[in-house]
Amino acid sequence: GDSVTQMEGPVTLSEEAFLTINCTYTATGYPSLFWYVQYPGEGLQLLLKATKADDKGSNKGFEATYRKETTSFHLEKGSVQVSDSAVYFCALTPNTGGFKTIFGAGTRLFVKA
Amino acid sequence: DTGVSQDPRHKITKRGQNVTFRCDPISEHNRLYWYRQTLGQGPEFLTYFQNEAQLEKSRLLSDRFSAERPKGSFSTLEIQRTEQGDSAMYLCASSALGSGAEQYFGPGTRLTVT
Repeated sequence: GDSVTQMEGPVTLSEEAFLTINCTYTATGYPSLFWYVQYPGEGLQLLLKATKADDKGSNKGFEATYRKETTSFHLEKGSVQVSDSAVYFCALTPNTGGFKTIFGAGTRLFVKA
Repeated sequence: DTGVSQDPRHKITKRGQNVTFRCDPISEHNRLYWYRQTLGQGPEFLTYFQNEAQLEKSRLLSDRFSAERPKGSFSTLEIQRTEQGDSAMYLCASSALGSGAEQYFGPGTRLTVT
């Protein structure tokens, strides 16, 4: 079945460091891909998305490119801030008739000042 | 619109009791979803509605679980004869129609079964 695998955390970085959180997926066809973020004490919110191969989603300095050939959607940011500390979830929605979203286990990011 | 709301935010119940949670989606959204999230895991899909029709249910949704969306607006999730393994965060989300539509999540209801 469809699934999402993302790198285990926690990831600890110093402020202004480069961030990569790896995400790979298994799905039939061309799913839509998402990164959601959960800040401490808050609900899940969409960070960025891409709906077809080679699309790049971007928001708040974060980017991710939909790579069909490697079935990946890695999250990157060039310079992280303390306020980016959160849990990041990679997710997919199959485009095969259903609309449920399948989430990865989440990666916790700590950014130190 | 203030977003997706859920009630209650926290619920503590004894094993064997029934509980009911409510979700109010964003008013113009046709789709409504329920997920369950346990500590250290991502949300797991339970079920979703398009308007009042329940179109998909996960195998996670045992016979003790039932969800309704009677008029295509708010939804309720009931758990009968709760078990300790039901302790989790129950999340509701809503979205517009269309593939790839963003889901907007509520704050969740944290259930603790003692």
